[in-house]
Amino acid sequence: EAGVAQSPRYKIIEKRQSVAFWCNPISGHATLYWYQQILGQGPKLLIQFQNNGVVDDSQLPKDRFSAERLKGVDSTLKIQPAKLEDSAVYLCASSLEGRQETQYFGPGTRLLVL
Amino acid sequence: QKEVEQNSGPLSVPEGAIASLNCTYSDRGSQSFFWYRQYSGKSPELIMFIYSNGDKEDGRFTAQLNKASQYVSLLIRDSQPSDSATYLCAVNPLLPGGYQKVTFGIGTKLQVIP
Repeated sequence: EAGVAQSPRYKIIEKRQSVAFWCNPISGHATLYWYQQILGQGPKLLIQFQNNGVVDDSQLPKDRFSAERLKGVDSTLKIQPAKLEDSAVYLCASSLEGRQETQYFGPGTRLLVL
Repeated sequence: QKEVEQNSGPLSVPEGAIASLNCTYSDRGSQSFFWYRQYSGKSPELIMFIYSNGDKEDGRFTAQLNKASQYVSLLIRDSQPSDSATYLCAVNPLLPGGYQKVTFGIGTKLQVIP
């Protein structure tokens, strides 16, 4: 079974630029999560999708972050414009519907904003 | 008060000893509790989850839950250098509408000294 795929793995941009991350969850996983993990901290949930609907985006900075999951499979997370404090690892995870206790994480995208 | 609190460590134990990792949480309505392991530069991986008060054992790992004290712990017996990682405690409070959201602590860094 293929795992959660993410790209790119690394990204360096300057502040005020835009960046987008892509995630392909495990086949059959209806629930998809985007987390932000700043160095030395635990993952923070940014947004959770159930199929192509948003379940929770309460911690997503909506003035600069956006996410979508068209067709209920792949998802993209965008930051526009980026700030220095957005430097973090962006983790995508997926789980079967109703099985939040078993989330499978992708390798993450390491973003550095200069 | 943080939702999930952990000592960031590092916690150093000699090889073969028992490592004890602790976590407290603030929401008494929390339903389930998880321990994730995260190696440096890697993504979190689920190692155990527990729902009921008491102990749950899986190989060298034992999770302990005390809902009255809002306390969950992870014991690692016969610690090995390969156990050196950051251990993330995560809690799943039941929110209005039946929605569940996983909240992570900052993680405790464990170092097993050969």
